[in-house]
Amino acid sequence: AQSVAQPEDQVNVAEGNPLTVKCTYSVSGNPYLFWYVQYPNRGLQFLLKYITGDNLVKGSYGFEAEFNKSQTSFHLKKPSALVSDSALYFCAVRVNAGNNRKLIWGLGTSLAVNP
Amino acid sequence: DAGITQSPRHKVTETGTPVTLRCHQTENHRYMYWYRQDPGHGLRLIHYSYGVKDTDKGEVSDGYSVSRSKTEDFLLTLESATSSQTSVYFCAVQGGDQNTEAFFGQGTRLTVV
Repeated sequence: AQSVAQPEDQVNVAEGNPLTVKCTYSVSGNPYLFWYVQYPNRGLQFLLKYITGDNLVKGSYGFEAEFNKSQTSFHLKKPSALVSDSALYFCAVRVNAGNNRKLIWGLGTSLAVNP
Repeated sequence: DAGITQSPRHKVTETGTPVTLRCHQTENHRYMYWYRQDPGHGLRLIHYSYGVKDTDKGEVSDGYSVSRSKTEDFLLTLESATSSQTSVYFCAVQGGDQNTEAFFGQGTRLTVV
């Protein structure tokens, strides 16, 4: 079965420290991988995606993610966390079958950045 | 917000009543999705559409129906609302290319009492 796992329900990090939010996936074929962020009482916002090419992709708000095919991972990273980065983060992978463009979602990781 | 409007933003309704949520987009995206978000479950796909009058079921479609008579509108109907359908509902849109990201609306908080 195709799936996405975010192994940590919550990540706590001090402001100014680097942060990592983990994501692993299990799909057949080449994956299209995405990260989204959700602030309280808001919809999800797109952060970045990996389609092909360079394994390190850069996105919005200083976030980046590294695609690792051998480990089937797509971890989200930021060199220096801000309190304003505190939010819920979702990893997703797309599988393609005809008209199907559905995303498979992880359950989300709550990031708390402490001042 | 990619021109996505969900209405209403908040609704309280009684068990057994029908409810319709509307998603309106202005960017002419081909694909539209309805999700529900519940604590501990993440996002779960209810129904999706890949074109006008072309829809298909997601993983939690029981008790829900959808319609898409125009490109810009995707309606979600709870045929007879139950307390288990209390949730936050999100609409998302996406272009036709498989490598494009989805964009989300602001959500509708539905409470069934």
